[in-house]
Amino acid sequence: ETGVTQTPRHLVMGMTNKKSLKCEQHLGHNAMYWYKQSAKKPLELMFVYNFKEQTENNSVPSRFSPECPNSSHLFLHLHTLQPEDSALYLCASSRGTAVAEAFFGQGTRLTVV
Amino acid sequence: KQEVTQIPAALSVPEGENLVLNCSFTDSAIYNLQWFRQDPGKGLTSLLLIQSSQREQTSGRLNASLDKSSGRSTLYIAASQPGDSATYLCALREDSSYKLIFGSGTRLLVRP
Repeated sequence: ETGVTQTPRHLVMGMTNKKSLKCEQHLGHNAMYWYKQSAKKPLELMFVYNFKEQTENNSVPSRFSPECPNSSHLFLHLHTLQPEDSALYLCASSRGTAVAEAFFGQGTRLTVV
Repeated sequence: KQEVTQIPAALSVPEGENLVLNCSFTDSAIYNLQWFRQDPGKGLTSLLLIQSSQREQTSGRLNASLDKSSGRSTLYIAASQPGDSATYLCALREDSSYKLIFGSGTRLLVRP
């Protein structure tokens, strides 16, 4: 248990659906991240939030929409996804400095049909 | 552009063996480097974090070293056990950005 909780653990959605992924941490961290892990590719950073402000958007398509209402919660809203968006989506958090250790959740396995 | 490489991609060893996993990077201007373990279908578990000013870190049977000048980090696992079987990932921060740049990982199998 890393202290970072993601729900749901598994999600199957159609290309016309709208769904949301949730991430929660109570570690007192100020920075939260979304990463995407596709088969046979290194983890790719999607978004970074620090003190609820988005500090990085790694050229992510607009069908992925992040939301960070407070430092403990991070959402990833999904709409009109493509089958190639199927992947493991990982949330992470750290103290709000570049030298801090990052802690990851268990991930949400997303399948787009 | 920073690139992180982990070789080999897969490794199979008998139980009890000491082993070394390698991580190399192309730009030595890094803030820190972190080693993770990932079990199939699961998230990442942080193993060790080495700041750029440090040469090594130890936790139990694990020892990670960092040589910025040669662009290399190693993860040493002593007396390997079947429970060590997993994918091991290294990731680094190269500046004040929060972005972690990952290698593709080494898939380790420790045979009983």
